[in-house]
Amino acid sequence: KAGVTQTPRYLIKTRGQQVTLSCSPISGHRSVSWYQQTPGQGLQFLFEYFSETQRNKGNFPGRFSGRQFSNSRSEMNVSTLELGDSALYLCASSRRDRNTEAFFGQGTRLTVV
Amino acid sequence: AQKVTQAQTEISVVEKEDVTLDCVYETRDTTYYLFWYKQPPSGELVFLIRRNSFDEQNEISGRYSWNFQKSTSSFNFTITASQVVDSAVYFCALIQGSYNNNDMRFGAGTRLTVKP
Repeated sequence: KAGVTQTPRYLIKTRGQQVTLSCSPISGHRSVSWYQQTPGQGLQFLFEYFSETQRNKGNFPGRFSGRQFSNSRSEMNVSTLELGDSALYLCASSRRDRNTEAFFGQGTRLTVV
Repeated sequence: AQKVTQAQTEISVVEKEDVTLDCVYETRDTTYYLFWYKQPPSGELVFLIRRNSFDEQNEISGRYSWNFQKSTSSFNFTITASQVVDSAVYFCALIQGSYNNNDMRFGAGTRLTVKP
């Protein structure tokens, strides 16, 4: 069974640009969550999608957005990039039933210069 | 509010030593789920264990064991006879409350280094 796949693995962008990251969940998993990991703030929840609907959102500005497609694949977008957006962005998929664990991808390392 | 505290930032041990990673959590809900994840240098978080708030039974899986104590709001993780391959950052995490919530709150992590 294939794991969670995130693309690209590494990305370098310039301040002010926008970026789109992609996540393909494990087959059969309907929930996709996104997390930002930085040395200063640690792992922080961005948002969760289930059946193409955003169910939960963390405390991030509106520049961070996402969507989920009918095949459960998800994308997150960050507009008007800032230096502080440099981070490892991790995607997790789960079945979304009660008592299920989340499985993580290897992440996308975004560097904003 | 929900919060996870991992007070140990870094731990270094010599191979074959036992090591315990501490995790203290805060939540107002009576229903919650606790997790441990391992993050090797490759970056992905590897799931280790899940516990719900109604199951205080401790668990052992090979060299790994977990001690869940609601009285002290702790969910500690012990590695017995540590190995170099155990070197990683370990995260404790909490999901609070209802069915419609997958907002996982992580502790700051504990970096474990096992020296040969």
